[in-house]
Amino acid sequence: AQSVTQPDIHITVSEGASLELRCNYSYGATPYLFWYVQSPGQGLQLLLKYFSGDTLVQGIKGFEAEFKRSQSSFNLRKPSVHWSDAAEYFCAVVPMDSSYKLIFGSGTRLLVRP
Amino acid sequence: KAGVTQTPRYLIKTRGQQVTLSCSPISGHRSVSWYQQTPGQGLQFLFEYFSETQRNKGNFPGRFSGRQFSNSRSEMNVSTLELGDSALYLCASSYLGGGSARNEQFFGPGTRLTVL
Repeated sequence: AQSVTQPDIHITVSEGASLELRCNYSYGATPYLFWYVQSPGQGLQLLLKYFSGDTLVQGIKGFEAEFKRSQSSFNLRKPSVHWSDAAEYFCAVVPMDSSYKLIFGSGTRLLVRP
Repeated sequence: KAGVTQTPRYLIKTRGQQVTLSCSPISGHRSVSWYQQTPGQGLQFLFEYFSETQRNKGNFPGRFSGRQFSNSRSEMNVSTLELGDSALYLCASSYLGGGSARNEQFFGPGTRLTVL
């Protein structure tokens, strides 16, 4: 079945440590891929997106993501986490064979230890 | 440029009532999408409107409906509310949408609906 999986419900990291949030998708063709962040009481903000080309994508706030076709993954990374990064992170796809709608993963809540 | 605005921000209704939520997209954006966010089901696509036409619809019952006006503002209506309709309803706008998946969707802050 078509799906987007974020296997980690919660992740806790210390401030200044590196971060990797996992995302796997299951679609026949590579969909368009996105990472969004949601702070408490806020809407969603786009961090980065991948359509084609270079598999390492740079985003806002120092985030990057790497697309790996062989693993059907699009993991989000940040080399040094700041306390303000504490939020919920959503991986999302737009399948190539469907109309324009975002299919979201279940989200990963990031907690940052001082 | 002002962002996507949603009104009201918070709403409390009782079962059986109906509710209308409003979304004003970013100026110049013609596509408006609606999403429901709940702790159990996560973020789910409701429908998308483009130039006053519904172009895409998610798997929600007919109690959920929407419309878009000529100025691109959109409303979402839920009739005969159920407890399970309690959720954060998010609206997103994009410049084109309607198959142009490369166009970023900009999200509003959402309307928190509580059904008692």
